[in-house]
Amino acid sequence: DARVTQTPRHKVTEMGQEVTMRCQPILGHNTVFWYRQTMMQGLELLAYFRNRAPLDDSGMPKDRFSAEMPDATLATLKIQPSEPRDSAVYFCASGLGQGAEAFFGQGTRLTVV
Amino acid sequence: GEDVEQSLFLSVREGDSSVINCTYTDSSSTYLYWYKQEPGAGLQLLTYIFSNMDMKQDQRLTVLLNKKDKHLSLRIADTQTGDSAIYFCAASNDYKLSFGAGTTVTVRA
Repeated sequence: DARVTQTPRHKVTEMGQEVTMRCQPILGHNTVFWYRQTMMQGLELLAYFRNRAPLDDSGMPKDRFSAEMPDATLATLKIQPSEPRDSAVYFCASGLGQGAEAFFGQGTRLTVV
Repeated sequence: GEDVEQSLFLSVREGDSSVINCTYTDSSSTYLYWYKQEPGAGLQLLTYIFSNMDMKQDQRLTVLLNKKDKHLSLRIADTQTGDSAIYFCAASNDYKLSFGAGTTVTVRA
C-alpha cells in the first residue's frame, strides 16, 4: 500500500528552536509538495519540487523556512528559528506530475510555544 | 491567483444525496479536484475532472463541471456516516493547487 510518510506526526517545541519535518514520497513519484494548513489561512502551498529540483517556494517565508530533497526518497522542511505563528499542520504530498494530482501524507502537527 | 470558494457546512440525512458546490475564478484551470479530509488525517484524493469534460461518475460520486460559470459540484449518492468529513475543492493550472476553505459535511441518522 503506497503512501506518503511524514515524521514526526506531532511536534511541540519552544520558540526559537529549529524544527525539521521529514517526508518520504511515494516511490516513483517525481513531484513533491509542502503545504501548510491553518484555520485562518486554510491550505497554502509552501514549496514544490519536480525531479528533486525546487521549482516554486514563493509561498515560504525565506528568512526562516527552507525545503530540500537530499535524494528522491526524502524531502525535508526546516524552520529556524521557529515562532508561535508557525503552529500549523504541515502536509507533504507527492505525485506523478499529471496536472497537480497529489497524494497527501498524514501531516505533522507543529505547536510552537 | 486562483480563488476557490465553497460553502462551509452541509448537513445531510443518512441515505440521502449530498451536493457540495464550488466556484473558481481562473478560467484556464486545467484540472479540478475533490479531496476528503477526515479528522487528524491528510487529504485523500476522491476524484478529479479535466476541464474539457462536463461530467464524471465514479461509483457513488458524480462530478459536474460548468466551465462557462466556473462551477464545480460533487454529488455523493446514498450518503453514509463514513462520508462525514471536510471536502475540499481544488483547481490547478499546471502544478499549483488552489484549495477552497473546505465544506464540513455532517451526516445525521
